[in-house]
Amino acid sequence: GAGVSQSPSNKVTEKGKDVELRCDPISGHTALYWYRQSLGQGLEFLIYFQGNSAPDKSGLPSDRFSAERTGGSVSTLTIQRTQQEDSAVYLCASSSPSGRSYNEQFFGPGTRLTVL
Amino acid sequence: AQSVAQPEDQVNVAEGNPLTVKCTYSVSGNPYLFWYVQYPNRGLQFLLKYITGDNLVKGSYGFEAEFNKSQTSFHLKKPSALVSDSALYFCAVRDIRVGNTPLVFGKGTRLSVIA
Repeated sequence: GAGVSQSPSNKVTEKGKDVELRCDPISGHTALYWYRQSLGQGLEFLIYFQGNSAPDKSGLPSDRFSAERTGGSVSTLTIQRTQQEDSAVYLCASSSPSGRSYNEQFFGPGTRLTVL
Repeated sequence: AQSVAQPEDQVNVAEGNPLTVKCTYSVSGNPYLFWYVQYPNRGLQFLLKYITGDNLVKGSYGFEAEFNKSQTSFHLKKPSALVSDSALYFCAVRDIRVGNTPLVFGKGTRLSVIA
């Protein structure tokens, strides 16, 4: 079956512009996660959606970052007024619906964001 | 709080030699532990996980990892390295009590297998 997909694969934008990054999780997965991967920094958790519960936004670095998940499926991460320090690879992952804590996360290929 | 340490940024090994990528963790309760691999310009790919039971876990591509509770470690191993194993490896942890919450990842170790 299809894995997690993300679009666009690459995005180049100018400082101050807004960007939207899209994630299509594996069908039926109720948990969806956004991470940011900066060079040499590992994976930084951003936001987590689980079913119909309120999202865990504790990892968002500033109020310029927001995310939504429509219909329990597709998610969009929005960065407003982009800054050069936002340049990174943004990774989306989803996890199966059982909600068990030993379930692994399945990752998409990522969106490489470059802010000029 | 949960955390993972991967003490080596880079590991170099000759092809055919055994490889070890180190990982130590910290959780308040008992851990679930995971290893992922990332090839260039790709997302993370699941390799293996420890849930319970046998401390030696076998995963994809001939990799295995050994859970050591007393040393809070979960080192990744392979008996004979291949050049194609060259990639970035991430260890991750989740406390078993916290449900399907985000995994906590280490900073990654870059493995380079030299022919």
